[in-house]
Amino acid sequence: EIVLTQSPATLSLSPGERATLSCGASQSVSSSYLAWYQQKPGLAPRLLIYDASSRATGIPDRFSGSGSGTDFTLTISRLEPEDFAVYYCQHMGTFGQGTKLEIK
Amino acid sequence: QVQLVESGGGVVQPGGSLRLSCAASGFTFSSYGMHWVRQAPGKGLEWVAFIRYDGSNKYYADSVKGRFTISRDNSKNTLYLQMNSLRAEDTAVYYCAKDSSWGVPYYFDYWGQGTLVTVSS
Repeated sequence: EIVLTQSPATLSLSPGERATLSCGASQSVSSSYLAWYQQKPGLAPRLLIYDASSRATGIPDRFSGSGSGTDFTLTISRLEPEDFAVYYCQHMGTFGQGTKLEIK
Repeated sequence: QVQLVESGGGVVQPGGSLRLSCAASGFTFSSYGMHWVRQAPGKGLEWVAFIRYDGSNKYYADSVKGRFTISRDNSKNTLYLQMNSLRAEDTAVYYCAKDSSWGVPYYFDYWGQGTLVTVSS
């Protein structure tokens, strides 16, 4: 069973800064099966990125995904106030534990 | 537009049973795999179960295998989760989610608003 480990657990940044979130897999995964989600308090998760680097419908281009094999990254180029949330990576039936992006 | 509306959550005693439903609209329900995903209070997301577009294959997390059953009625555009032998650790918000594919878990492109299940005496 593949384990996804996200780092850091918490990331404290200011609006306008660049955020880099990591997702490591315990064994190599196909990039076609790596997705990222955003979740705000009290709401359902929202798909951001699929196939490791493809943006979902309606997702701003400040969000980008990259990586392959066991190392994947979600980058938010310039943080907007609405971007502060929890982010999860996912491979098939496995989620990472999440990274909380908080305002510094 | 795609809509997924869960129902059936509530408070149940340990050892009890509950059936969740998810009414789908805005897409061809019978063409896509569907999932249940849960989130315990203050915790992360945990995948629970997946069912193929035609109900021919089902997959479960080890934590629920043998206790939970996922099913679907394509004539009613509805997904179900029968939960038996409930434990305190099953307490969570349960989300219904649409898969982007028909056959194997891929990614979850639409989610319902969730329904809360509380297992407590």
